[in-house]
Amino acid sequence: QQQVKQSPQSLIVQKGGISIINCAYENTAFDYFPWYQQFPGKGPALLIAIRPDVSEKKEGRFTISFNKSAKQFSLHIMDSQPGDSATYFCAASSQGAQKLVFGQGTRLTINP
Amino acid sequence: GAVVSQHPSRVICKSGTSVKIECRSLDFQATTMFWYRQFPKQSLMLMATSNEGSKATYEQGVEKDKFLINHASLTLSTLTVTSAHPEDSSFYICSAESSGIYGANVLTFGAGSRLTVL
Repeated sequence: QQQVKQSPQSLIVQKGGISIINCAYENTAFDYFPWYQQFPGKGPALLIAIRPDVSEKKEGRFTISFNKSAKQFSLHIMDSQPGDSATYFCAASSQGAQKLVFGQGTRLTINP
Repeated sequence: GAVVSQHPSRVICKSGTSVKIECRSLDFQATTMFWYRQFPKQSLMLMATSNEGSKATYEQGVEKDKFLINHASLTLSTLTVTSAHPEDSSFYICSAESSGIYGANVLTFGAGSRLTVL
C-alpha cells in the first residue's frame, strides 16, 4: 500500500514533442505528490509538486495532472528539449515533504 | 533557494574500513534530515531519518549498527558506513526539509556520494 508505481520505465520523445509519465498509488492518506528530476551522478531536484485539492498544476513547460478518484497523477513536459533528458521520479507522502515514497523512475531521452 | 551540500562526492575504500559521509544544510537549519540509498538505475530507498539531538529512526531492514547516523547540529548530519563490504557500494543521498516558495515545506537533496568498496 506504500508503493508508488511509475510508468514507463523509459521513454524516447522527439524534440518539441510532449513527454508523459504516469504514476499510481494506493495509500489514500498520501497528500503530497512531487516530481523530481535527476541527472546522472547528481541528486534529485524538485521539479513541481501538487496536493490533492487541485486537479492540475502548471509551471512553465511542466504540468502535473492529478486524478484523486483514480489515485493517479502524471507529469507532462510540453515542447520537450534535449536538456530535459534525465531520469524522472514521482513520489508521494502523507507527511508533507517528509518520508517520501518514490516511484521506480523513468529514463527520458529527448532526441534532437 | 535551499542548498544541501554532501561530501565526499566519491569515495573508494577497502573492504572492512569505515567511511563517513557528511550532509550539510548551507543556508537553512534542518532539524530533520533524511538518508537515501540508490542502486544503479533504480529508485531511491529511504534508509533513515536523522533527528538533531536525538537518535535516528531507521527504516525496516536497515542495519543501524552498519549505518551509523549522527545529527550533531542543525546544519550537519553524518552517515558512517562501518566495516564496509562490496555490497555496501551504492549512491548515498541525503536530503533536508526546507521552506518552499509557497510556504509549504519541500525536500531538498544533496548531490549524492558514490561509495565503492573494493
